Amino acid sequence: NAGVMQNPRHLVRRRGQEARLRCSPVKGHSHVYWYRQLPEEGLKFMVYLQKENIIDESGMPKERFSAEFPKEGPSILRIQQVVRGDSAAYFCASSPGSPNEAFFGQGTRLTVV
Amino acid sequence: RKEVEQDPGPFNVPEGATVAFNCTYSNSASQSFFWYRQDCRKEPKLLMSVYSSGNEDGRFTAQLNRASQYISLLIRDSKLSDSATYLCVVGWRGGNKLTFGTGTQLKVEL
Repeated sequence: NAGVMQNPRHLVRRRGQEARLRCSPVKGHSHVYWYRQLPEEGLKFMVYLQKENIIDESGMPKERFSAEFPKEGPSILRIQQVVRGDSAAYFCASSPGSPNEAFFGQGTRLTVV
Repeated sequence: RKEVEQDPGPFNVPEGATVAFNCTYSNSASQSFFWYRQDCRKEPKLLMSVYSSGNEDGRFTAQLNRASQYISLLIRDSKLSDSATYLCVVGWRGGNKLTFGTGTQLKVEL
């Protein structure tokens, strides 16, 4: 009974490259959330998706960031043309839907050099 | 006003102390409430759900006050291992979205 799986666990990118972060939710969960956590700061909501739909992307920067959760396969958070300020831990969580709790993956730590 | 607000702390308490955190939420239609714990550089993990009648799990007690729109977490007989950040989470059935507070940091000292 696998939990939320995120990969890679660590990702190093040079400025200007693209970063692709993957999240496989708990089997049967159709709700996925992405959060960013900067060093010494709290979790910041980025985007909430249900299968094939973006429900709330109010926390997502307008440029360079995109997310998807296709019918088949993992959810992807894509960051284009990364900058040093994108360095952070990116956590994905999945839920079968409110009022149920969400379960987190171990996160992807992105370092932009 | 933020959807979910918490005092960031840190709360520094001696071992054995009782400590309480509050968390306020703005959406009166909120229907599900949770406390999560996050250790340094780790993923948040569910600590306990918060029910209308309140609930207790060992040294931890969670309560909900709908009239004043806040939830609380009480930790009795604090242990060093309780040192972590405690996140309040609120869900709204209508939107299916879980909203996390930014967390309250607890440091339990000898």
